[in-house]
Amino acid sequence: GAGVSQSPSNKVTEKGKDVELRCDPISGHTALYWYRQSLGQGLEFLIYFQGNSAPDKSGLPSDRFSAERTGGSVSTLTIQRTQQEDSAVYLCASSLVSGNEQYFGPGTRLTVT
Amino acid sequence: DQQVKQNSPSLSVQEGRISILNCDYTNSMFDYFLWYKKYPAEGPTFLISISSIKDKNEDGRFTVFLNKSAKHLSLHIVPSQPGDSAVYFCAASVMGNDMRFGAGTRLTVKP
Repeated sequence: GAGVSQSPSNKVTEKGKDVELRCDPISGHTALYWYRQSLGQGLEFLIYFQGNSAPDKSGLPSDRFSAERTGGSVSTLTIQRTQQEDSAVYLCASSLVSGNEQYFGPGTRLTVT
Repeated sequence: DQQVKQNSPSLSVQEGRISILNCDYTNSMFDYFLWYKKYPAEGPTFLISISSIKDKNEDGRFTVFLNKSAKHLSLHIVPSQPGDSAVYFCAASVMGNDMRFGAGTRLTVKP
């Protein structure tokens, strides 16, 4: 399909392990965003990529979190040494340019046991 | 700090009546506001937006009102339908950057 896709849809991992979450944005969209939704919480901004500019990492909760966007398209969010409080739904969104409405993927539900 | 607030975690209305979802913000620099709708196990989908130069934007059954002096916006859905039952997120940004979302309001429309 032509929408934003994310993989895996569900991930269960043991505390202390590293995880990688993948996002495929809509083709041609220059802006890509990662958000986190914890149980009962709103959407928490994590990181934002716009074209070839340096990413806005201001929302990353700790240095265990990092993200890359290769070739201006696919993005990977990596969480090192996962903790139980990292359990959440991680949502990726893309937009044609910054400022336009964002199109969200279905999310990856991460459970850290 | 929460710059966008949705103080009602849930709202229940009867089919055919009006649903009014409210959102307050603290950052006077916000100039673009959006509403997203989210069904369970799906990502949020864009619903309607308004820029700060307007005070109303209408799209079918959905109308967003912006009161800049009160730093308040609302989403009106009329008439409400059972398929509108979802979580609604309010969002705001400054020139399209640094978008902030509210915690969401769960709307239930009863047949």
